[in-house]
Amino acid sequence: DAKTTQPPSMDCAEGRAANLPCNHSTISGNEYVYWYRQIHSQGPQYIIHGLKNNETNEMASLIITEDRKSSTLILPHATLRDTAVYYCIVDRETSGSRLTFGEGTQLTVNP
Amino acid sequence: ETGVTQSPTHLIKTRGQQVTLRCSSQSGHNTVSWYQQALGQGPQFIFQYYREEENGRGNFPPRFSGLQFPNYSSELNVNALELDDSALYLCASSLNGGLIQETQYFGPGTRLLVL
Repeated sequence: DAKTTQPPSMDCAEGRAANLPCNHSTISGNEYVYWYRQIHSQGPQYIIHGLKNNETNEMASLIITEDRKSSTLILPHATLRDTAVYYCIVDRETSGSRLTFGEGTQLTVNP
Repeated sequence: ETGVTQSPTHLIKTRGQQVTLRCSSQSGHNTVSWYQQALGQGPQFIFQYYREEENGRGNFPPRFSGLQFPNYSSELNVNALELDDSALYLCASSLNGGLIQETQYFGPGTRLLVL
């Protein structure tokens, strides 16, 4: 299984962009990059996923490097409610429904 | 709110006992996956049920078992509870049982404490 490496914690000022990095140097050609987040005492929440092209939705943008060995999740205007643990996951199946979570990045958005 | 519900929200058991946790999937979803999340760690995949059949299992012993009903709700059963089973148990529902790329919708979890 491909593995991911994320910084254990990051801080961001409210209203600024939060850029969360993830390394996945052993990713295979048919593996997707998924991002989930988990707000304290809640279940994880899907954010975005991609294969090799950059992706954007109403929550965030996902930038994947050309060699696919790393990616960055961008929250364009972080709010206090974005404080959560963010998980970068490379799915081990083609489905994305049997996820292997690491320890993630604790993002703290400060006022 | 994802539409995935779990019961109970909290539970206290003693070592050696058995426990059953329940999950109702989001409307229209036929796949339920169960995860265990120990304190300070990411969720770990236990197993998945698709259309009432087990459809993949993580590295958990046989005393962790499950069931999915015709309405696609699901149960997680754990026998012979151990102290290390204390964790947040999450279920997630999805639509296609891993047949195509999909996302999962997680419930709020059941927090189990084994004394």
